[in-house]
Amino acid sequence: KQEVTQIPAALSVPEGENLVLNCSFTDSAIYNLQWFRQDPGKGLTSLLLIQSSQREQTSGRLNASLDKSSGRSTLYIAASQPGDSATYLCAVRPQGGGNKLTFGTGTQLKVEL
Amino acid sequence: DTAVSQTPKYLVTQMGNDKSIKCEQNLGHDTMYWYKQDSKKFLKIMFSYNNKELIINETVPNRFSPKSPDKAHLNLHINSLELGDSAVYFCASSQGRVAASNEQFFGPGTRLTVL
Repeated sequence: KQEVTQIPAALSVPEGENLVLNCSFTDSAIYNLQWFRQDPGKGLTSLLLIQSSQREQTSGRLNASLDKSSGRSTLYIAASQPGDSATYLCAVRPQGGGNKLTFGTGTQLKVEL
Repeated sequence: DTAVSQTPKYLVTQMGNDKSIKCEQNLGHDTMYWYKQDSKKFLKIMFSYNNKELIINETVPNRFSPKSPDKAHLNLHINSLELGDSAVYFCASSQGRVAASNEQFFGPGTRLTVL
């Protein structure tokens, strides 16, 4: 059974700092991994999707890496801004068909002025 | 230009009632999903439909019955609501079962409170 863990559970940083969010998964047989952002009381916004054959994906100040063999992904946020404050979730899709996403526990990020 | 929409956004009801949540996507996707986010913010899949066919059914009580009248809609009906059903329910959609990208897009959620 796939289990996805995110560390840390909560993080508070000053504006401008570069930061890394971690995601680990127990079963490396994944098809892809997706990073989401959830704002309080809102839905999920997809940030990046990495296929199992890829090592990283970039979008603006965000960079996500994937090391499938070790069951890890990181989300790097450069030059953090207060608007980046949200909960960040990673989710993995299993290999071999099926669209079931298994979500991590989330990292609640607060970027302070 | 909403991609995945859900109604209602908030739902407050008494234990024992029956209620429905509606979901629509205008992305032309083939696959739709229902997820439940509990009080600890943990998201878990409940159901998935592909072209109106049920393909994922996690161990959800049979009081929950999804219905897909067409591939753009996936509604969730809940019978005999219980206190433990209180959660935020998210609808999502993706291009297909085996599409290379298969990125999932989520609706804004429906916060269900059972009193």
